[in-house]
Amino acid sequence: AQSVTQLDSHVSVSEGTPVLLRCNYSSSYSPSLFWYVQHPNKGLQLLLKYTSAATLVKGINGFEAEFKKSETSFHLTKPSAHMSDAAEYFCVVSDRTTDSWGKLQFGAGTQVVVTP
Amino acid sequence: GAGVSQSPSNKVTEKGKDVELRCDPISGHTALYWYRQSLGQGLEFLIYFQGNSAPDKSGLPSDRFSAERTGGSVSTLTIQRTQQEDSAVYLCASSLNTQETQYFGPGTRLLVL
Repeated sequence: AQSVTQLDSHVSVSEGTPVLLRCNYSSSYSPSLFWYVQHPNKGLQLLLKYTSAATLVKGINGFEAEFKKSETSFHLTKPSAHMSDAAEYFCVVSDRTTDSWGKLQFGAGTQVVVTP
Repeated sequence: GAGVSQSPSNKVTEKGKDVELRCDPISGHTALYWYRQSLGQGLEFLIYFQGNSAPDKSGLPSDRFSAERTGGSVSTLTIQRTQQEDSAVYLCASSLNTQETQYFGPGTRLLVL
């Protein structure tokens, strides 16, 4: 079974300051992990993904995430927030098993607000 | 290239009516998925198709929901006898296969009155 918990439903940051979005996962197998972003009235866009290669994953728009198996975490960070980063962010897990391939399990989402 | 497209973008219907939602995946993608995004339940998996294999319907919430994929390309999600709790955004995604990244369409916003 797979599940994901996003520890913050809302995060507010000032423009130019670091962003940290926290995610913990549960997986019976070696998981694939993703972060997706959803801007208002837009579709989901993939930011980055981890599939068992390097534990530090770099994504688009300056975001990165680190897979920590011992902590079952996959936190998303960005050194300096931009106004355009205001959106909802989803942490997603998928067990890499025959029955679970393709079934993405989404977290509840973290709404990010960026203030000038 | 063209992304995943969905139609209609918005649909308002009356309780008890049937609705059909359409998804056009990215050309060449053999896997196609449907998800539902609602205020109460968040984002949840509904069904996926992979090539000619039988679809995985394990996420469909009731037998009022069904989906088909004709010719390995376009998919239609049908909701029969709609209920107010079916109101949600229905998202379609496609990928090269089930092990590859899923690309999402803009969704169909369904409102059941």
